Amino acid sequence: AQSVAQPEDQVNVAEGNPLTVKCTYSVSGNPYLFWYVQYPNRGLQFLLKYITGDNLVKGSYGFEAEFNKSQTSFHLKKPSALVSDSALYFCAVRENTGGFKTIFGAGTRLFVKA
Amino acid sequence: DVKVTQSSRYLVKRTGEKVFLECVQDMDHENMFWYRQDPGLGLRLIYFSYDVKMKEKGDIPEGYSVSREKKERFSLILESASTNQTSMYLCASTSGLHPPTDTQYFGPGTRLTVL
Repeated sequence: AQSVAQPEDQVNVAEGNPLTVKCTYSVSGNPYLFWYVQYPNRGLQFLLKYITGDNLVKGSYGFEAEFNKSQTSFHLKKPSALVSDSALYFCAVRENTGGFKTIFGAGTRLFVKA
Repeated sequence: DVKVTQSSRYLVKRTGEKVFLECVQDMDHENMFWYRQDPGLGLRLIYFSYDVKMKEKGDIPEGYSVSREKKERFSLILESASTNQTSMYLCASTSGLHPPTDTQYFGPGTRLTVL
């Protein structure tokens, strides 16, 4: 069965410092991996996705994520955090079996302090 | 840009009431989804629809039903609302061009409180 784990409920980082939000997954075949962000009182917005190819995926707002097949991880990163990055981040996985079902992690709340 | 709208941002209902949550997308997407979001649980799929009048149960369909009479509109129905259905409800859509890799586009959410 598919599953996604976001091991940290909350991540705190100072503005200007690099940030990492962790995600590990479990699927039976090759995964399709996604990151979404949710700002207060808003729906989820797509940040980036890994389908195939280069393990480093670049997305919106300066975010990137690295796919590591051996560690079954897809960590979200940004070289220099902004206060406006403070939000709730969700990792999600879908199997490449042609299906619709997406499994979401529990979410990680990012606080960026000025 | 894809736009997914939901009929209400906030809704307060009483136990036993029938509740309708409406979702409309404007990009001719094939697939539409209803999730509920609860702290510490992430998003859980209630129902999805891959075509007009077609629907499939997700992980937590109990107590809910759905309707998709038109391609752009997907409704979630709580037949008899209960307090444990107090939650944030999110609607999403995907194009259906390649389901495993399609990006989901979300509405702003409806925060439902059942008293």
